[in-house]
Amino acid sequence: QLQLRESGPGLVKPSETLSLTCTVSGGSISGSSSYWGWIRQPPGRALEWIGHIFYSGNTYYNPSLRSRVAISVDTSNRQFSLQLSSVTATDTAVYYCARENNGLGPWGRGALVTVSS
Amino acid sequence: DIQMTQSPSTLSASVGDRVTITCRASQNINSWLAWYQQKSAKAPNLLIYKASNLETGVPSRFSGSGSGTEFTLTINSLQPDDFATYYCQQYYGYPYTFGQGTKLEIK
Repeated sequence: QLQLRESGPGLVKPSETLSLTCTVSGGSISGSSSYWGWIRQPPGRALEWIGHIFYSGNTYYNPSLRSRVAISVDTSNRQFSLQLSSVTATDTAVYYCARENNGLGPWGRGALVTVSS
Repeated sequence: DIQMTQSPSTLSASVGDRVTITCRASQNINSWLAWYQQKSAKAPNLLIYKASNLETGVPSRFSGSGSGTEFTLTINSLQPDDFATYYCQQYYGYPYTFGQGTKLEIK
């Protein structure tokens, strides 16, 4: 069945760029009606939708992060990626990737990213 | 942004109980609402999509209803595995937004 897994550094310094990759297995990332999304959850807090991408490259970002975020897709490797620039401590969170098709699912296991010097 | 407000924030119940969680949207979202269950330190799991459709593999004791601005998630005959945090999410308008969560605790 379709599975997603996040990968990337668990520690990022303030003002630097957070980079995560989501690898999709058990299915295709292209040629479907699904979007591929990123969601984050600061410790002890609720979920926040970051943005999503279609396999063609069309994106939409949460306006609260739009000036700092970029999502890209690599269909040949069945991956999509998140970059969040100029991070601060408030960007510390578990970052999830998920397929979007009438709701979000399945989800990756999540990647904890801590912003600290 | 469309604000999603869940109530209650915390709910105490016993195994076998029937519980209802409410989610209100700040504007009409038709039926573009999903419900998720999240257990500690795990990724959320999709339970219900388009307000009332049960995701494949989710037990039938879970059900969703509503449209417009008011929605409910009902769990019949609570099982020990159901004690978790539940979130609603609208996907009618950008940016997609979540409720603040409802923690379902054992009484």
